[in-house]
Amino acid sequence: AQSVAQPEDQVNVAEGNPLTVKCTYSVSGNPYLFWYVQYPNRGLQFLLKYITGDNLVKGSYGFEAEFNKSQTSFHLKKPSALVSDSALYFCAVSMNTGFQKLVFGTGTRLLVSP
Amino acid sequence: GAVVSQHPSRVICKSGTSVKIECRSLDFQATTMFWYRQFPKKSLMLMATSNEGSKATYEQGVEKDKFLINHASLTLSTLTVTSAHPEDSSFYICSARDLGTSIVQYFGPGTRLTVT
Repeated sequence: AQSVAQPEDQVNVAEGNPLTVKCTYSVSGNPYLFWYVQYPNRGLQFLLKYITGDNLVKGSYGFEAEFNKSQTSFHLKKPSALVSDSALYFCAVSMNTGFQKLVFGTGTRLLVSP
Repeated sequence: GAVVSQHPSRVICKSGTSVKIECRSLDFQATTMFWYRQFPKKSLMLMATSNEGSKATYEQGVEKDKFLINHASLTLSTLTVTSAHPEDSSFYICSARDLGTSIVQYFGPGTRLTVT
């Protein structure tokens, strides 16, 4: 069965500093990996995905993520955090079978201080 | 592009009544729609997957007769919470995707259901 782990409930970073939100996954086979962001009382917004190819994936709002197959990780990164990046971030995995259902991690709250 | 709407955004109903939530894909045809439930400070729990014109596939532990899902067209899916109880109070989120063209699920803004 697929699973996703986000080991940090919350990440605190000062504005202008680089940020990393961690994600590891467990699947049998080749996964599709996603990052979504959720603002309070809103649905999820798609940030980026990894399917195949280049391990470094660039997405919306300056975010990027690096797929590391040996470490089964897909950490989200941004070189310079903004206060407006403060939100709840979800990592998700799916397989290339059936309806390609997403399995989500538990979410990491990012707090960027001015 | 890839906009998904939900209606209503917020609903309060009395225990024992039924509530219908609509999910629409506004600028693409959604061959598959998903319904999730999110508890406070928790991740999303997939409730069911629906395909246009066929019966929904429910996840284990989700009551089919309580959470009725209809995917009548390529742009509309509905979730009806029947005989609602306070424990059904939650944030319900739908997502949609075009299975033939994209692996990305696009999410609606969510519906906050409160059962009194």
